Amino acid sequence: DTGVSQDPRHKITKRGQNVTFRCDPISEHNRLYWYRQTLGQGPEFLTYFQNEAQLEKSRLLSDRFSAERPKGSFSTLEIQRTEQGDSAMYLCASSFSGTYNEQFFGPGTRLTVL
Amino acid sequence: GENVEQHPSTLSVQEGDSAVIKCTYSDSASNYFPWYKQELGKGPQLIIDIRSNVGEKKDQRIAVTLNKTAKHFSLHITETQPEDSAVYFCALAAGNKLTFGGGTRVLVKP
Repeated sequence: DTGVSQDPRHKITKRGQNVTFRCDPISEHNRLYWYRQTLGQGPEFLTYFQNEAQLEKSRLLSDRFSAERPKGSFSTLEIQRTEQGDSAMYLCASSFSGTYNEQFFGPGTRLTVL
Repeated sequence: GENVEQHPSTLSVQEGDSAVIKCTYSDSASNYFPWYKQELGKGPQLIIDIRSNVGEKKDQRIAVTLNKTAKHFSLHITETQPEDSAVYFCALAAGNKLTFGGGTRVLVKP
């Protein structure tokens, strides 16, 4: 399977704990995006990388959230001191910068904060 | 920021009938308009897209139209089949990030 992969698919944690999610983009894609989707809503942009550089961050990305893409391949999204309001589906997408931004999504990581 | 209104929020059609979903937006700088299909427990799947220099695009049973003057774009699904049942999202981009509509839950009744 050469699509975007995410790990884990599901995560249940207690409030106050830290969690980290991983995304592996399509191999030839140099752009990687993180979105958050709450129940019944469309995905909301969080941040994106071109290669290893983080080029844009949404105001939704509070200081408890940090994303990295150290070698320009896979990316991690960490949430510190989780809150119940962080419960959502976290989606990763990738694209190639030479196209009109055709973004391909992974299956997502569903986070439940108890 | 950019706002995208999507209607209807739910749509029930008989198998074989057509389904139409419409989105309106406000930012005239938007130049890329994709549509995604999301099935339960899965990530959004890109099904068709249109760029601002094109008014209409068709791919088998799916078509998208864009009216930049009126700032709206629509998805048309003809000859609907039960496997078309899903949530559909419109989106747009003026730069690198996508802004999504609220989604339309489509149910195709056999």
